[in-house]
Amino acid sequence: IAGITQAPTSQILAAGRRMTLRCTQDMRHNAMYWYRQDLGLGLRLIHYSNTAGTTGKGEVPDGYSVSRANTDDFPLTLASAVPSQTSVYFCASRRTGGNSPLHFGNGTRLTVT
Amino acid sequence: GQQLNQSPQSMFIQEGEDVSMNCTSSSIFNTWLWYKQDPGEGPVLLIALYKAGELTSNGRLTAQFGITRKDSFLNISASIPSDVGIYFCASSQGGSEKLVFGKGTKLTVNP
Repeated sequence: IAGITQAPTSQILAAGRRMTLRCTQDMRHNAMYWYRQDLGLGLRLIHYSNTAGTTGKGEVPDGYSVSRANTDDFPLTLASAVPSQTSVYFCASRRTGGNSPLHFGNGTRLTVT
Repeated sequence: GQQLNQSPQSMFIQEGEDVSMNCTSSSIFNTWLWYKQDPGEGPVLLIALYKAGELTSNGRLTAQFGITRKDSFLNISASIPSDVGIYFCASSQGGSEKLVFGKGTKLTVNP
């Protein structure tokens, strides 16, 4: 079934450790996004990529980095995790051009202790 | 930055009742989208609106893109228990691939 796969589903991480959240889509969508979801704050955009080889900063980019080496994969890296990065992280994708909707993965629940 | 003000924050209703929620902004948007999120899952698109004044239905759901392009509402008629979840509005401005989300409306339906 076509869609977005995120891994891991959940993770407990010690502060200061490095962590990469994986995201893969098989829909050949050009644009990919990373959001974090926190209680009372909704979904906030961390980083995005309009096409392979390009990335951009969203609303809350500090402490995170991304890469887009190919169309399918869009990993999100926390270089040195801090407790405030405890959140649920959602990867999303969509076709660029026109008005195509955003498709979401099922999320990664990250706890930084 | 762009902000979407979504209300109400939460709703507790009885099965069979109608529900209405809305999003407003001080900015003009070209697209309004409504998503629903079930526990433990990512948001799923319910309705997409692309023209000012557009009124679109999807089963028991109806949404409208405000004439001023600064607001949108979502109505759910004859609610059922499976309508429980968090509903998000989302929008984007012309030429932007970035979607901005409201903070969500948490809906609880009592059987």
